[in-house]
Amino acid sequence: GESVGLHLPTLSVQEGDNSIINCAYSNSASDYFIWYKQESGKGPQFIIDIRSNMDKRQGQRVTVLLNKTVKHLSLQIAATQPGDSAVYFCADQSRGRDDKIIFGKGTRLHILP
Amino acid sequence: EPEVTQTPSHQVTQMGQEVILRCVPISNHLYFYWYRQILGQKVEFLVSFYNNEISEKSEIFDDQFSVERPDGSNFTLKIRSTKLEDSAMYFCASRKDRGSQPQHFGDGTRLSIL
Repeated sequence: GESVGLHLPTLSVQEGDNSIINCAYSNSASDYFIWYKQESGKGPQFIIDIRSNMDKRQGQRVTVLLNKTVKHLSLQIAATQPGDSAVYFCADQSRGRDDKIIFGKGTRLHILP
Repeated sequence: EPEVTQTPSHQVTQMGQEVILRCVPISNHLYFYWYRQILGQKVEFLVSFYNNEISEKSEIFDDQFSVERPDGSNFTLKIRSTKLEDSAMYFCASRKDRGSQPQHFGDGTRLSIL
């Protein structure tokens, strides 16, 4: 069946360094991916998205890379800050009548002082 | 910035009781969703709703579950006879339109079944 999964359950990064969170997906028909950030006690918060006709998309301090050949995407956070501490999910918004999201397991990002 | 709001933030209910979780989606959004997240696990899709009817539902969404949009602003999830395994965070989400549009999530209702 379909699956979306992150490579590491936790990632520790020094404050000020760049963070890279990786994700793999299995459905080659997937055409739209979203990165969400979930802080403690809150719902998933939209960070950035990418369509399958793109390889890269940049936002404010974040970049998402998509490699369709190996079905892999990554989220890069530049100059990581304490406020970036959260669980990050990659999500596949599947093709379907109303495009439900299939979430992967999250990666918890720890920021070290 | 408009946001999805959910009430209550925490609901404690006796097993076998009915519970209604409430959501107010973003006002110009047309697609509505419920997801749940059992502690320590992935966020799981429950149901999608469009044009006043269920579009898709997962295996989790059995006969004990129902959704309703009683007026132009609220979107509710009802669990008719709660079970211990229904304990989870329940997230409502809404989306403006079809295609490559992100879903926006509320902060969830923590449902605790005793």
